[in-house]
Amino acid sequence: EAGVTQSPRYAVLQEGQAVSFWCDPISGHDTLYWYQQPRDQGPQLLVYFRDEAVIDNSQLPSDRFSAVRPKGTNSTLKIQSAKQGDTATYLCASTPGTLYFGAGTRLSVL
Amino acid sequence: AQSVTQPDARVTVSEGASLQLRCKYSYSGTPYLFWYVQYPRQGLQLLLKYYSGDPVVQGVNGFEAEFIKSNSSFHLRKASVHWSDSAVYFCAVMSNTGYQNFYFGKGTSLTVIP
Repeated sequence: EAGVTQSPRYAVLQEGQAVSFWCDPISGHDTLYWYQQPRDQGPQLLVYFRDEAVIDNSQLPSDRFSAVRPKGTNSTLKIQSAKQGDTATYLCASTPGTLYFGAGTRLSVL
Repeated sequence: AQSVTQPDARVTVSEGASLQLRCKYSYSGTPYLFWYVQYPRQGLQLLLKYYSGDPVVQGVNGFEAEFIKSNSSFHLRKASVHWSDSAVYFCAVMSNTGYQNFYFGKGTSLTVIP
């Protein structure tokens, strides 16, 4: 069974640039999560979906971050105008019951 | 509000020694509890989980954890650590009503000295 797939693995940006992260969850998993993990910290929820519906995006900086899951399968997280404070690893996970994580995308904003 | 506290940011032990990593949670009701491990440049991997029943749960690679409701704790233990256990360990709680939301602690970085 394929795991959660994320791309790209790494991204390096200048402040103000845009970037998109892509996630392919485990087949059949209806709930998908995006987490932000700053260096030396635990994962912090940004947004999660049940199928194509957003369940909770209260922690998503809505002025610059957006996330979609249009067909209830793959998902894209986008940062419109990156800031140095966005430097972190972005993790995608899917479930039911137990979270299965992808390897993450390490973002550096210079 | 749900939260998880891992009071020890870093733990160093010698190979072969026993290990306990502490976790305390705040949750109204009976939680679902998890321990995950993260190796460098990788995502989190599940070590073990507790949903109900026997409060001592066994996980992979000889890890176990005990749910103590009266103390709101879910400490992780291992009888004898190996250098390959060096990693960051995260405790998490999942809401068991409605949609599944997970809350993570800040993690404990374990270094095993050969």
